[in-house]
Amino acid sequence: AQTVTQSQPEMSVQEAETVTLSCTYDTSESNYYLFWYKQPPSRQMILVIRQEAYKQQNATENRFSVNFQKAAKSFSLKISDSQLGDTAMYFCAFGFNDMRFGAGTRLTVKP
Amino acid sequence: DTGVSQDPRHKITKRGQNVTFRCDPISEHNRLYWYRQTLGQGPEFLTYFQNEAQLEKSRLLSDRFSAERPKGSFSTLEIQRTEQGDSAMYLCASSRVTGNYGYTFGSGTRLTVV
Repeated sequence: AQTVTQSQPEMSVQEAETVTLSCTYDTSESNYYLFWYKQPPSRQMILVIRQEAYKQQNATENRFSVNFQKAAKSFSLKISDSQLGDTAMYFCAFGFNDMRFGAGTRLTVKP
Repeated sequence: DTGVSQDPRHKITKRGQNVTFRCDPISEHNRLYWYRQTLGQGPEFLTYFQNEAQLEKSRLLSDRFSAERPKGSFSTLEIQRTEQGDSAMYLCASSRVTGNYGYTFGSGTRLTVV
């Protein structure tokens, strides 16, 4: 079975600081993709960042970066210089033909 | 292209009634996915299509649920004999064939069964 675990149901961070959201997954597949999605309150899901499992280099998108440890099946998201607009649910997901999502981490950025 | 559209945004129905939701994907996307999301949880995979072919269906999906994508464009998700446990947000997403660039999600249809 393919599963995704986000062990932090809620987190908070002060504006301008850095926060890391954790994610682990389990799969027997060797080829897959990993994603972090953001879901602001009452708004639709938005792709934040993606990582190809066969690439060792960690993906970076502006203030967002990942720490991908394939052997450990770990895929954490680091948000630098947190902004109030980063307040949202964050979902980790992985898959190839279709994706499986974690239960999410609710992130609150405090002014 | 305005993205993935879902209709209706909200649906309230009485237990036992049938409901149908529609999803219009991004036009150049071959794949279309349906997910269900309950409050405080992540999206749960239901099914997906490549063009008009339904390639995978979750084993958790009851026989009361059926999805179609007749011409490889829009899709419908029907729930027959609704139950209170069907109350959830139903999300549609679309992607290019391999989906490795991630999905584009619609705003969802929120179903409330009373």
